[in-house]
Amino acid sequence: GQQLNQSPQSMFIQEGEDVSMNCTSSSIFNTWLWYKQDPGEGPVLLIALYKAGELTSNGRLTAQFGITRKDSFLNISASIPSDVGIYFCAGQPAGNNRKLIWGLGTSLAVNP
Amino acid sequence: EAGVAQSPRYKIIEKRQSVAFWCNPISGHATLYWYQQILGQGPKLLIQFQNNGVVDDSQLPKDRFSAERLKGVDSTLKIQPAKLEDSAVYLCASSLGTVSGNTIYFGEGSWLTVV
Repeated sequence: GQQLNQSPQSMFIQEGEDVSMNCTSSSIFNTWLWYKQDPGEGPVLLIALYKAGELTSNGRLTAQFGITRKDSFLNISASIPSDVGIYFCAGQPAGNNRKLIWGLGTSLAVNP
Repeated sequence: EAGVAQSPRYKIIEKRQSVAFWCNPISGHATLYWYQQILGQGPKLLIQFQNNGVVDDSQLPKDRFSAERLKGVDSTLKIQPAKLEDSAVYLCASSLGTVSGNTIYFGEGSWLTVV
């Protein structure tokens, strides 16, 4: 099925560094969602974006809905060890089909 | 507010056996989803309910998987007979199901190992 292009696939950073990851699509999306999944848990919603150009923050996390409606990014500032996990983007394509399309995830490791 | 509840959390079965997972969505959420997540991959939608009706089951292997949501609240997902490749985490999720309330909230998952 259709998937989003999420990058990078994995990151290994030092505590305190900033992190950036993004998702792109070949088609227009109405909604972008960013989730974090810890080992042994289900995905937890971090940020939801519903409007092109929208910039939303949640603590140290900031996400933006791209102007072209074909991309979104997630930034994490001043990373800490508990930021470790897999970050997934998900989007809802424009049109009547409301199925959510998922990226393959970005695995983040933080070195204390 | 209580989240999406799932049980059991973990299950180990032999191939060709059957297994059933239960889900209780967030109160008031009309839409319920079952996802399959294989290790290292993103979630894959198996089936989506709107109240007690099926909206999308295009990726559900219907020869062995079945799901129901008889009263529009709780749902069960059954696998019979199980295959080795069914080893995965089965995530239940729910959403309000409206245009503005389409954010999906996940349960902790039911982790299935088929040996």
